[in-house]
Amino acid sequence: KAGVTQTPRYLIKTRGQQVTLSCSPISGHRSVSWYQQTPGQGLQFLFEYFSETQRNKGNFPGRFSGRQFSNSRSEMNVSTLELGDSALYLCASSLDEGRPTEAFFGQGTRLTVV
Amino acid sequence: GDSVTQMEGPVTLSEEAFLTINCTYTATGYPSLFWYVQYPGEGLQLLLKATKADDKGSNKGFEATYRKETTSFHLEKGSVQVSDSAVYFCALTPGYSSASKIIFGSGTRLSIRP
Repeated sequence: KAGVTQTPRYLIKTRGQQVTLSCSPISGHRSVSWYQQTPGQGLQFLFEYFSETQRNKGNFPGRFSGRQFSNSRSEMNVSTLELGDSALYLCASSLDEGRPTEAFFGQGTRLTVV
Repeated sequence: GDSVTQMEGPVTLSEEAFLTINCTYTATGYPSLFWYVQYPGEGLQLLLKATKADDKGSNKGFEATYRKETTSFHLEKGSVQVSDSAVYFCALTPGYSSASKIIFGSGTRLSIRP
């Protein structure tokens, strides 16, 4: 069974640009969550999508957005990039057919904003 | 709000030493508790979990017991190996929300000397 796939693995962008990251969950998983990992703030929850609907949202500005497609694949978008957006962005998928639910993480996309 | 506090690192041990990484939590209701591990350049892997009080999670020689009375979930291993060098995250999913919204501790970097 293929794991969670995130693309691209590495990105370098300039301040002010926008970026789109992609996540393909494990087959059959309907929940996809996104996390930002930085040395200073650690791992922070961005948002969660389930059946194409945003179900939970963390405390991030509106520049961070996401969506989920009918095949459960998800994208997150960051507009007007700032230097502080440099981070490892992790995607996690889960079956979510009841608790407890185990989340499986991808290898992440490392975004560098210059 | 819900939170996880784990011991600061880095922790450096010699091979075959005993390991304890302390973790305490604050949560409403009955959270599920997890330990995740992150190897260099990788995403997160679930190490072990416990879903109710007094449950013991175990995997690869690591153990942790869900202690509701002390709100703790300390990670232990009797004899560490060089291959255990990684960053360890204690985490919870709140009892009141989607199981996919994970709240992480700050992480503890573990280095094992041969």
